[in-house]
Amino acid sequence: GAVVSQHPSRVICKSGTSVKIECRSLDFQATTMFWYRQFPKQSLMLMATSNEGSKATYEQGVEKDKFLINHASLTLSTLTVTSAHPEDSSFYICSARTSGAFTDTQYFGPGTRLTVL
Amino acid sequence: AQSVTQLGSHVSVSEGALVLLRCNYSSSVPPYLFWYVQYPNQGLQLLLKYTTGATLVKGINGFEAEFKKSETSFHLTKPSAHMSDAAEYFCAVTRIGGYSTLTFGKGTMLLVSP
Repeated sequence: GAVVSQHPSRVICKSGTSVKIECRSLDFQATTMFWYRQFPKQSLMLMATSNEGSKATYEQGVEKDKFLINHASLTLSTLTVTSAHPEDSSFYICSARTSGAFTDTQYFGPGTRLTVL
Repeated sequence: AQSVTQLGSHVSVSEGALVLLRCNYSSSVPPYLFWYVQYPNQGLQLLLKYTTGATLVKGINGFEAEFKKSETSFHLTKPSAHMSDAAEYFCAVTRIGGYSTLTFGKGTMLLVSP
C-alpha cells in the first residue's frame, strides 16, 4: 500500500517551454501533497504544499507563477514548470500524505528528472 | 523551528560490518522522526519512523533506530551491512501529529565495500 507514482520519470525540453509533472497516489486518498526539488548530491528542498481543492502554499523564495501547482483531486497533483530555463534543471519529487490512519507519514514518488536545454 | 543534523556526508563500511548513521534533531515540541533511503535516480523510501511509544523502532531491510530524547538523537543502525545497502540516507523530523512539513537532514551516503 501507499504507492505514489510520478510521470514522466524523465523529461528533456527546450528553454522557454513549459513542462507538466504529474503525481498520483495509487491506493490512498492524498489530502495533502508536497513538491520537492533536489539538486545533485543535496537534500530535498520543499517547494510547496498543496491541499486538495485549495491553493498551494509556497515556501519562501519559490516563484508561484513559475511553478504552478494544481491539486484537483484526492489522487492527483500536478506541477507545471512554466517558461523553463536551464537553471530549472533538477530532480523533482512529490510526496503524499493521507488524512486517515497514517497522517504522520509522507510517501514519496520516484521523482522526475527535468533537463532544460 | 526544527532542524536535523546528520554527522558525516559519507560513511564507508565493509560488507558484514556494523552500520551506524548519526542523526541529531532540534525541536521545540515533541517530534516525529523518520529515516528514508534513496537509491540513485529514485525517490525516497521510508525505512522506519518514530512517533510515540517504544523508543527502539525496527524498519525494513534489518535497520533499526533508537529515539533518545535526552540526547536529541535518532541514530540508524544495522548489525551487518550488505552491498545492497549502499545508498543515500536521510533523517527527517516533523512536529508531533505529523501535520507540519518534514525537515530533512543533508543526507549521508553509505558506501559498502566487499
